[in-house]
Amino acid sequence: QVQLVQSGAEVKKPGASVKVSCKASGYTFTNYYMHWVRQAPGQGLEWMGIINPSGGSTSYAQKFQGRVTMTRETSTSTIYLELSSLRSEDTAVYFCARDHQIVVRGITGYFDLWGQGTLVTVSS
Amino acid sequence: EIVLTQSPDFQSVTPKEKVTITCRASQSIGISLHWYQQKPDQSPKLLINYASQSISGVPSRFSGSGSGTDFTLTINSLEAEDAATYYCHQTTSLPHSFGQGTKLEIK
Repeated sequence: QVQLVQSGAEVKKPGASVKVSCKASGYTFTNYYMHWVRQAPGQGLEWMGIINPSGGSTSYAQKFQGRVTMTRETSTSTIYLELSSLRSEDTAVYFCARDHQIVVRGITGYFDLWGQGTLVTVSS
Repeated sequence: EIVLTQSPDFQSVTPKEKVTITCRASQSIGISLHWYQQKPDQSPKLLINYASQSISGVPSRFSGSGSGTDFTLTINSLEAEDAATYYCHQTTSLPHSFGQGTKLEIK
C-alpha cells in the first residue's frame, strides 16, 4: 500500500550528526516532492525543507542552512535527512511527508501522506 | 517568510459544541491554506485543503473557509474523538510554514 516508513529512533551526543531515512512505497517515488518537518517535545510543527526526488534539488529553511542535507536514492525510493552539529534543541520527532503536487507542475501543496516519525534525542 | 498565527492556543469544549479556530497569515496567501489534526503520538492528518476543500473520509462536521489572510476551521457538533491539536499550513511559497497549533480539550 501507499506508505512512508521511517528509520528508528536515534540517540546522539551534542556535536554529532544524525541521518534519518524515509522509504516510500506504493506509488511512483519520483513523481512527488517530499518534505521534512520536525516537532520538538510538546511543541508545534516546523518545516525544515523540501527535496525533488526526481532531480534531487533541495530548498531548506534558513534556520537549518549549513547544518542540513536532504538527499534521495531513487533505486530504493528513499529520502534521507542529515542534520549535523546537533544540540539539545534538536531533540524532536522528525517526519517525512509527501506533497500532493506532482513535480512536473513546479509548485508545492499540502501533505497527503506522512511517515510515522523518528525520535532523535540529543543528550550528553 | 510567511507567519501564521492561530487563535486560540487552547480551548476546553463540551461535546456537541461548535468550535471555531482561526488562522491569520502575515501576508496574502490566496487559498493555499490547509488544516491538519494531530493526536498524541500520531502523525498529522489532513482535514481540509485549499482553505475549504473537504477530504474524503473526514467527517462532514469539519469545514473550512477564508482567503487572503484570514481563515477559519469550524467543527460542528464536536465529538469526544476530536480532542487533538489542530494546525494550519501555508503552501503559497517556500518556505512553508505552520501555525503554532490549537489544542482542543474535551470536557
